[in-house]
Amino acid sequence: GQNIDQPTEMTATEGAIVQINCTYQTSGFNGLFWYQQHAGEAPTFLSYNVLDGLEEKGRFSSFLSRSKGYSYLLLKELQMKDSASYLCAVRDSNYQLIWGAGTKLIIKP
Amino acid sequence: IAGITQAPTSQILAAGRRMTLRCTQDMRHNAMYWYRQDLGLGLRLIHYSNTAGTTGKGEVPDGYSVSRANTDDFPLTLASAVPSQTSVYFCASSDSSSGQGGADTQYFGPGTRLTVL
Repeated sequence: GQNIDQPTEMTATEGAIVQINCTYQTSGFNGLFWYQQHAGEAPTFLSYNVLDGLEEKGRFSSFLSRSKGYSYLLLKELQMKDSASYLCAVRDSNYQLIWGAGTKLIIKP
Repeated sequence: IAGITQAPTSQILAAGRRMTLRCTQDMRHNAMYWYRQDLGLGLRLIHYSNTAGTTGKGEVPDGYSVSRANTDDFPLTLASAVPSQTSVYFCASSDSSSGQGGADTQYFGPGTRLTVL
């Protein structure tokens, strides 16, 4: 079966750095996405990785290792507004997105 | 309209009733999707449409139907609602004309919170 694993919840301090991991086992791989979802709102796109390596976009970076079936999202200089759920999704061989359950990130002052 | 809109925002429905959730996008995206989101589970694909006039089944299609008469609209119908269909429903769209090498990023509507009693 297809599986995306992420930690259920993480806590970090304002101003610090946090890394959210995602491991996947899917039938085929055609890219990995990270989305942010604030409580009661829609998911919004953060990043896309299809090749191995690090993609940096401001305070957020995303890393991919296809051989290990592994990705992480790195958030720097955490702000209170970063409190949200972070969803990892992999596009499989049928070009459908398989979603993880999401990681709830709690930021403390 | 800017982006994707969904209606209603929320709904309480008696079991056995018929319900249509509406979704409209103005980005001229050719692909559209319906997901449900339940606590502790990832988004699960119900149905999708790669282009107007075509639809396909996702991971959890039973009890749901869709139609895609034009590019902009993609309604989801529950023929006879059951309590297990209580969920938050998200519609999304993407521009798959970027080709299989592109990101084909999905953009989401604000969601419909449905409660079936």
